[in-house]
Amino acid sequence: SQQGEEDPQALSIQEGENATMNCSYKTSINNLQWYRQNSGRGLVHLILIRSNEREKHSGRLRVTLDTSKKSSSLLITASRAADTASYFCATDPDSGGGADGLTFGKGTHLIIQP
Amino acid sequence: NAGVMQNPRHLVRRRGQEARLRCSPMKGHSHVYWYRQLPEEGLKFMVYLQKENIIDESGMPKERFSAEFPKEGPSILRIQQVVRGDSAAYFCASSDQGYYNEQFFGPGTRLTVL
Repeated sequence: SQQGEEDPQALSIQEGENATMNCSYKTSINNLQWYRQNSGRGLVHLILIRSNEREKHSGRLRVTLDTSKKSSSLLITASRAADTASYFCATDPDSGGGADGLTFGKGTHLIIQP
Repeated sequence: NAGVMQNPRHLVRRRGQEARLRCSPMKGHSHVYWYRQLPEEGLKFMVYLQKENIIDESGMPKERFSAEFPKEGPSILRIQQVVRGDSAAYFCASSDQGYYNEQFFGPGTRLTVL
């Protein structure tokens, strides 16, 4: 099964509202990262939170990490139309020297309605 | 400082042909990762390379797929005898260190197999 799984799969809100997306994972991690992907484009790194951190802010973004529940949330405040995109969480597993590739979920498709 | 470059951006191949995807990492980065994104799915790790070495290819299909990252020049992901199921977006990412570090993604190559 997938390491990172986002919830919900799709979210539609009004411009100006806050958007919250969640991510659950299964194994121990070194860090968890959130990426944004606009339709037909590459991924853009948003924020990285390490396993010993609980919360991190970057502009209108707020990420929390609960390693005991193996979950993370991404909050986008005061949403804008330009925030319409798919959002992926990616985990960097603590594999003891194994693969350094990230494991992505299927993403949350966020639509901001003007 | 140019980001990760991938070319071509779009590639169309007929079944049985070969596909070559190129990735130039960010300046100063010696770690390259390839991911595949099938339609309606999240990204899946394929292979991690450092200069002239394959570090981890646990996500690569056993047949027809190969990757290299020569001392000079871009990283190449090669798919021989393509089939329709190979149609996907292939993303390359690079980082300056292998562990615990942010990966910067390229715009992707969209492969369509007719």
